[in-house]
Amino acid sequence: SAVISQKPSRDICQRGTSLTIQCQVDSQVTMMFWYRQQPGQSLTLIATANQGSEATYESGFVIDKFPISRPNLTFSTLTVSNMSPEDSSIYLCSVAEGTGGETQYFGPGTRLLVL
Amino acid sequence: AQSVTQPDIHITVSEGASLELRCNYSYGATPYLFWYVQSPGQGLQLLLKYFSGDTLVQGIKGFEAEFKRSQSSFNLRKPSVHWSDAAEYFCAVGAGGFQKLVFGTGTRLLVSP
Repeated sequence: SAVISQKPSRDICQRGTSLTIQCQVDSQVTMMFWYRQQPGQSLTLIATANQGSEATYESGFVIDKFPISRPNLTFSTLTVSNMSPEDSSIYLCSVAEGTGGETQYFGPGTRLLVL
Repeated sequence: AQSVTQPDIHITVSEGASLELRCNYSYGATPYLFWYVQSPGQGLQLLLKYFSGDTLVQGIKGFEAEFKRSQSSFNLRKPSVHWSDAAEYFCAVGAGGFQKLVFGTGTRLLVSP
């Protein structure tokens, strides 16, 4: 499976600021996903990022709050904009692998605390 | 729409004892089913997956899961638990084809000496 890294691994931010999270993969992948895991909760998909096209956002998530870039087949960024304490979560990227893209492998996550 | 239920929030098992974590799914077609484990401070690691074929699938770290279509279940088992298995376990269902995964709420496994 692909090796996925994320930067930063954790951060503490002030409300009103923005943070950009990077996701790097060691091989070319078609589809990347961004998930949020709020404290003590399960994972919820934020958006799907396909190279060369706009990200597709899930209900409840908007581009102005979570802009995503996918400049090439090995890299993506997620920005959390105008942060509030409610944005304190773990943010994980994943990649779809397999013949039909049916299996997702996850990065180590970025742990964000907003004060 | 897909959904996943993990009815047990916490489970405590003695080291060396057997383990079964429950997962029930709702999906109209043939599901793609997964179990992931999240150790404290870590990301998600894929334990095993089921797409088709033999309904008993083997995974890493000695885990196995059985797909039962009649019960809409995909329970995770391990015959002998080790202290290092203490973690959060997530069941997920997907539609295949680069589609999103829907996760259950997770089961936290505690291992007692």
